[in-house]
Amino acid sequence: NAGVTQTPKFRILKIGQSMTLQCAQDMNHNYMYWYRQDPGMGLKLIYYSVGAGITDKGEVPNGYNVSRSTTEDFPLRLELAAPSQTSVYFCASSYPGQGQILHFGNGTRLTVT
Amino acid sequence: GDSVTQMEGPVTLSEEAFLTINCTYTATGYPSLFWYVQYPGEGLQLLLKATKADDKGSNKGFEATYRKETTSFHLEKGSVQVSDSAVYFCALSEGNEKLTFGTGTRLTIIP
Repeated sequence: NAGVTQTPKFRILKIGQSMTLQCAQDMNHNYMYWYRQDPGMGLKLIYYSVGAGITDKGEVPNGYNVSRSTTEDFPLRLELAAPSQTSVYFCASSYPGQGQILHFGNGTRLTVT
Repeated sequence: GDSVTQMEGPVTLSEEAFLTINCTYTATGYPSLFWYVQYPGEGLQLLLKATKADDKGSNKGFEATYRKETTSFHLEKGSVQVSDSAVYFCALSEGNEKLTFGTGTRLTIIP
């Protein structure tokens, strides 16, 4: 019973590099989300998806891209990493009608230097 | 827009002390309210929720009551344990499957 799995756990990038943060869930949840967590700032929604083939911007989408080709996977792409993207990234999923009960992964800590 | 304001931390208490973490919200409609908890090195997990005014959510000895008149959802526990040390997030949703989170309150319990 894996739940929401995020990889990698840690990553250091140089400015301008690109990378993809992976997220997979095995609960057959329709909804998936990417949040970033900055110290003292809570969680900010980057992108979300209500089903395969459908994605929408959240509060802070600039500098990121997502895709949702399957129900299980929701990767987050950083094309040109910037120091402002240093953060902890959380993927989450939920099932419609469960009253916004989100299941979170354990996070990816990203440092851009 | 929607927003959630939590009491600033960090909060440090002795074991068996009474805990209150304040949370107030701003919303245009009638949101559902949540407390999520994040233990060290883990993602957030739902602690409790309330979906309408005067509802009380409870779990693991924690309680919070949805107060529409004061737009509040304060988290309380009568006797905290070392294992309650974590970061606590208040959140709201207006039914569109997206959550708005507060900034989090770090709680440390000393034996």
